[in-house]
Amino acid sequence: DAKTTQPTSMDCAEGRAANLPCNHSTISGNEYVYWYRQIHSQGPQYIIHGLKNNETNEMASLIITEDRKSSTLILPHATLRDTAVYYCILPPSGTYKYIFGTGTRLKVLA
Amino acid sequence: NAGVTQTPKFQVLKTGQSMTLQCAQDMNHNSMYWYRQDPGMGLRLIYYSASEGTTDKGEVPNGYNVSRLNKREFSLRLESAAPSQTSVYFCASSEVGGSSYNSPLHFGNGTRLTVT
Repeated sequence: DAKTTQPTSMDCAEGRAANLPCNHSTISGNEYVYWYRQIHSQGPQYIIHGLKNNETNEMASLIITEDRKSSTLILPHATLRDTAVYYCILPPSGTYKYIFGTGTRLKVLA
Repeated sequence: NAGVTQTPKFQVLKTGQSMTLQCAQDMNHNSMYWYRQDPGMGLRLIYYSASEGTTDKGEVPNGYNVSRLNKREFSLRLESAAPSQTSVYFCASSEVGGSSYNSPLHFGNGTRLTVT
C-alpha cells in the first residue's frame, strides 16, 4: 500500500495561501489522492481528491505533480477557521483499508 | 440530512464492563468503518465492512467486535473494556470502498469513551 509523508506542523498568516505538501513516492497508477481535515475534535471532513489533473473546488485546490509522487493542497486565502489537522491519504485500490497517518497540523495566525 | 449518526456521544466505563457503540448512516452507502483516535494521534482503523454482511479487520482490531446489522447500521462492541481503549471512536461510511475512486468518507462526530 502506498504511504504518505506530511510535515508535522505548519503556520500560515491569515489571508495568505496555505500550501500543504504530501509525498507519496510509491503511489500506484490507479490510486487517487484524497485530502481531509479535522477541526478540533470533530469528525474528519472531506476536502478534495484527484488522480492526475489538478483539481479545484469551493474549499481548496489540489496540485499533483506530473510523476504523481507528490501533491500540494492549497487553501487560497486561509482564515482562522482553517486551523485544523490536514490528512493526505491514498485509499489502496482493491481494498477498503483507508489508513490515516498523523497529518499536518496547520495553524492560521491572526 | 443526518449523514452519519453515532450514539452515545460520551461514555464512561469501568474496566471489564462491556458496551456497544452504535452507528447509522442515511446515505445508502455500502461501506462502513470504525476508527479510534487517541489524544494527539491520528486515526487508526479498527474494523470495516465493505458491504452488508461482510466485515474485516483493520489496523487495531484486538479487543473489539463488530456487527453489520443491515445496510444502515454498523456497531462496535467492547466485550471487556480496558483503560487502553480510552479514546474517541469515529464511524464513517462511503458509497463504495475499494476501487471506487469517487467515494469520499463521511464521518460521524464521534463517541468519547473513557475507561477507568
